[in-house]
Amino acid sequence: EAGVTQFPSHSVIEKGQTVTLRCDPISGHDNLYWYRRVMGKEIKFLLHFVKESKQDESGMPNNRFLAERTGGTYSTLKVQPAELEDSGVYFCASSQDPDRDYGYTFGSGTRLTVV
Amino acid sequence: AQTVTQSQPEMSVQEAETVTLSCTYDTSESDYYLFWYKQPPSRQMILVIRQEAYKQQNATENRFSVNFQKAAKSFSLKISDSQLGDAAMYFCAYRSDPWETSGSRLTFGEGTQLTVNP
Repeated sequence: EAGVTQFPSHSVIEKGQTVTLRCDPISGHDNLYWYRRVMGKEIKFLLHFVKESKQDESGMPNNRFLAERTGGTYSTLKVQPAELEDSGVYFCASSQDPDRDYGYTFGSGTRLTVV
Repeated sequence: AQTVTQSQPEMSVQEAETVTLSCTYDTSESDYYLFWYKQPPSRQMILVIRQEAYKQQNATENRFSVNFQKAAKSFSLKISDSQLGDAAMYFCAYRSDPWETSGSRLTFGEGTQLTVNP
């Protein structure tokens, strides 16, 4: 079984540019989560998709961040325009039924550097 | 809102020795789940061990065990017979019970970087 795939693994962009991160969850996993870790601090929740619907987007920092999951498969997280404080590692996780098995499979993350 | 605190940014241990990583949390909920995740360098985060708050017995997975103190809101991870492959960033995480309104999101601590010395 393929795991959760994120790409790119690294991205360096200039302040003001746009970056799109992609996450491919495990096939059949309806639940998809985005998290990020900024400046060595704790990993913070961004949002949760159930299929193509946003179940919880309370962690999204501001309207420069846009997450989509068209068709309920892969998800993208777009940052536009990027600011210096957006630098960090963005993690994606997927789960088949988090309220039953409490299992989450994480990707390796995308390290975003805004210069 | 729940918070998770890991007070040890870095820890080191000699190979074959035992090390304990600390985690405390704050919550007003009575039912919840606690996790330890491990992230090796440039690798995906994987689950090490999980504890249900309603269970009094501490969880154990091979060389990994926890000391869960519900009243003290403490959830430490003990790694016995440490191996070089245990070197990683370790994250403590909290998840509300499904009946709570917090949903299925995880709340993480800041992480502890564990170094294993040969």
